[in-house]
Amino acid sequence: DADVTQTPRNRITKTGKRIMLECSQTKGHDRMYWYRQDPGLGLRLIYYSFDVKDINKGEISDGYSVSRQAQAKFSLSLESAIPNQTALYFCATSDFTSGSTDTQYFGPGTRLTVL
Amino acid sequence: DQQVKQNSPSLSVQEGRISILNCDYTNSMFDYFLWYKKYPAEGPTFLISISSIKDKNEDGRFTVFLNKSAKHLSLHIVPSQPGDSAVYFCAASAMGGTSYGKLTFGQGTILTVHP
Repeated sequence: DADVTQTPRNRITKTGKRIMLECSQTKGHDRMYWYRQDPGLGLRLIYYSFDVKDINKGEISDGYSVSRQAQAKFSLSLESAIPNQTALYFCATSDFTSGSTDTQYFGPGTRLTVL
Repeated sequence: DQQVKQNSPSLSVQEGRISILNCDYTNSMFDYFLWYKKYPAEGPTFLISISSIKDKNEDGRFTVFLNKSAKHLSLHIVPSQPGDSAVYFCAASAMGGTSYGKLTFGQGTILTVHP
């Protein structure tokens, strides 16, 4: 079974709709992240959470919100989707406390299309 | 402000030869560097990393070199195999400052290994 899972894997929606992308992990890591990938731009950080009570904005948080429901669950919401939010979205986790630095482990991604 | 740059969008190599992927960074606070590999329809997977206290790290066919004075790192794959064909991302993090606990990614390089 995958350690980091994302649902849905693919989603097509219309401009103005509210969308939630979900991420679950069984790795027992405290830290969770949301990224988006666009062609030619690499992965850019949207939000990150170092524990259940800690939520931080990344470099491109406008238009997005998150919820850390439990150590294992971190959801990303688009309150009113717009076409330029069409992208691949990845969730990741890391266990910084192990002393193994910032190695992050990624889910399989969600391909979101906003029409 | 692209703090981590991969200036080659693509690289084509013959099977059995060496693949060299390059990455430059501008933030002198970065002290830990990683390479990720990504296949289509999958999330990035961790490949190899290096701390700034080292200038080389090897893992099988993969070697990462770090030149701190030039703010440059490279990934060598020897010998290259068709299964190495993927997108490679370099990433960097810092123990302090605004990059603490976060990874900054380059744009990615598409490696194609021809049989």
